[in-house]
Amino acid sequence: GQQVMQIPQYQHVQEGEDFTTYCNSSTTLSNIQWYKQRPGGHPVFLIQLVKSGEVKKQKRLTFQFGEAKKNSSLHITATQTTDVGTYFCAGKVDSNYQLIWGAGTKLIIKP
Amino acid sequence: DAGVIQSPRHEVTEMGQEVTLRCKPISGHNSLFWYRQTMMRGLELLIYFNNNVPIDDSGMPEDRFSAKMPNASFSTLKIQPSEPRDSAVYFCASSLFHEQFFGPGTRLTVL
Repeated sequence: GQQVMQIPQYQHVQEGEDFTTYCNSSTTLSNIQWYKQRPGGHPVFLIQLVKSGEVKKQKRLTFQFGEAKKNSSLHITATQTTDVGTYFCAGKVDSNYQLIWGAGTKLIIKP
Repeated sequence: DAGVIQSPRHEVTEMGQEVTLRCKPISGHNSLFWYRQTMMRGLELLIYFNNNVPIDDSGMPEDRFSAKMPNASFSTLKIQPSEPRDSAVYFCASSLFHEQFFGPGTRLTVL
């Protein structure tokens, strides 16, 4: 079946270091969305990428959608404690209503 | 707008009991999703409604689970009888276009 693999499962960083999570789909996606879930919270929509090769920025967050529309990444520059949480990618395939969710990458800030 | 509303926020019950989870989507949204989240299995889509009609319930684990959407502003997810392996956080999400808006979730514990 259609899958979206997301790595790594966890990433421990010192505050101020960068963080990156990667998603790879087994099939071409029509778009990909990114969500953030704070500990004890619910997923919150961050952004949607639609175009091949698209790059979008939100302050310290940079989102990329691959040329083949099969992979995507989220990069956070100079992490802060407020960035702690789990980041999910979720891809949409044409002719299908539902999102195919990655397993999430948990960002942990080392004390 | 109050966002997606779910009740109860926490539910503790004993094995064999019936559990009913409730969701009020954002007014005007035409799609509603029920998800289950556990550490082991991540975020799983249980059922999807469009314009109050169940479109795909292939994610519903078994016959013990049922969901209804009698009108555009209310949906229920029922588990009867409940089992300890049903313990999880259950999220309801609604959508109009692409972005899904999640409720705060119901944390279900079945003893």
